[in-house]
Amino acid sequence: ETGVTQSPTHLIKTRGQQVTLRCSSQSGHNTVSWYQQALGQGPQFIFQYYREEENGRGNFPPRFSGLQFPNYSSELNVNALELDDSALYLCGGQGNTGELFFGEGSRLTVL
Amino acid sequence: GEDVEQSLFLSVREGDSSVINCTYTDSSSTYLYWYKQEPGAGLQLLTYIFSNMDMKQDQRLTVLLNKKDKHLSLRIADTQTGDSAIYFCAEILHTGTASKLTFGTGTRLQVTL
Repeated sequence: ETGVTQSPTHLIKTRGQQVTLRCSSQSGHNTVSWYQQALGQGPQFIFQYYREEENGRGNFPPRFSGLQFPNYSSELNVNALELDDSALYLCGGQGNTGELFFGEGSRLTVL
Repeated sequence: GEDVEQSLFLSVREGDSSVINCTYTDSSSTYLYWYKQEPGAGLQLLTYIFSNMDMKQDQRLTVLLNKKDKHLSLRIADTQTGDSAIYFCAEILHTGTASKLTFGTGTRLQVTL
């Protein structure tokens, strides 16, 4: 039990649509990161938020955006969905030694 | 580059030891991690090691770190069927005020009876 909860667990969208994924931490992690895990791959860093500001970003286009709220919950928004956006999206709260405590993920299918 | 490399597959018999290997890229990584992912689930942190350590033991898990060769291994003693999963190693990279984990592609461990 990591204390990180993600919703929804599964969702299906069509190309061109927009999606919002949510993450909350019962442990109050003030640094939250989002990762994309395509089928058969390791997770890839999308971005990191600290105190409601984005402070690091991976190699993802601007249509991937996020928010962090004062209660440390977080959102990942993806606009203009493409087929290749189909993946498991993981939210992680950061611990004291940099480790990430992940939620169960949101599995997005784009048709 | 930023590739963390792992072998794709390992099969062991129940009760034997498993050794999963990983080669990472950044010698300045302060911590290295091992995660476990069961089918349809998120990633579970198993253990981590600080870069100034050579070895860390945690119950059935032993982590070995060779900084010179940038090689990390995870040994699971007395492997059980419940250990069947995909195992990811990860290194932490600091860029400015951010820190990110770079993961390998994962090693699928199959435990047979």
